[in-house]
Amino acid sequence: AQKITQTQPGMFVQEKEAVTLDCTYDTSDQSYGLFWYKQPSSGEMIFLIYQGSYDEQNATEGRYSLNFQKARKSANLVISASQLGDSAMYFCAMRPNFYNQGGKLIFGQGTELSVKP
Amino acid sequence: ETGVTQTPRHLVMGMTNKKSLKCEQHLGHNAMYWYKQSAKKPLELMFVYSLEERVENNSVPSRFSPECPNSSHLFLHLHTLQPEDSALYLCASSQDWWDHTDTQYFGPGTRLTVL
Repeated sequence: AQKITQTQPGMFVQEKEAVTLDCTYDTSDQSYGLFWYKQPSSGEMIFLIYQGSYDEQNATEGRYSLNFQKARKSANLVISASQLGDSAMYFCAMRPNFYNQGGKLIFGQGTELSVKP
Repeated sequence: ETGVTQTPRHLVMGMTNKKSLKCEQHLGHNAMYWYKQSAKKPLELMFVYSLEERVENNSVPSRFSPECPNSSHLFLHLHTLQPEDSALYLCASSQDWWDHTDTQYFGPGTRLTVL
């Protein structure tokens, strides 16, 4: 079964420090995509970063990087130099191969990050 | 306007009302999606449209009726809803619905309350 697990319901981080949000996934597919989204209290789901299952290098986008460990089936999000505006819910998601569930985007339960001044 | 827009942002309706949610994407994408996000639950995919054709319907009750008149617009028609349908309804779009490398971009959502 395809599944995403985020084991940290809530986290705190001091402003300007780095934080790692955990994500593990379960799939039997060889080809899949991994995504992280940020959802502020306003509700909009904001795309942050993408990692393909065949990508050898970890994805980076500005202050966001994805620590991809394929053998462990983990895709942790690292936010460097946290800012107050980073306070939000963060969702890890996986898109399996089309031939498995039609390529449906599967979301984890989310981690609520609070950045302290 | 850029990205994905949704109207209204907030909606309160009675169980006997009929209302519609609107979504518009300005990204030139071929696929559009409706998701439901209830409190304390992961996002649930409701419908997928590709080039105005419905390609997925995830056992959604018939009181939710989607419509996709063209690849830029998506509607969700609501009628005789139940209080448990109160949720955040998110619209998304992407280039190709079948591609696992394809990123979905979301709108701001409509927060629906059913009284």
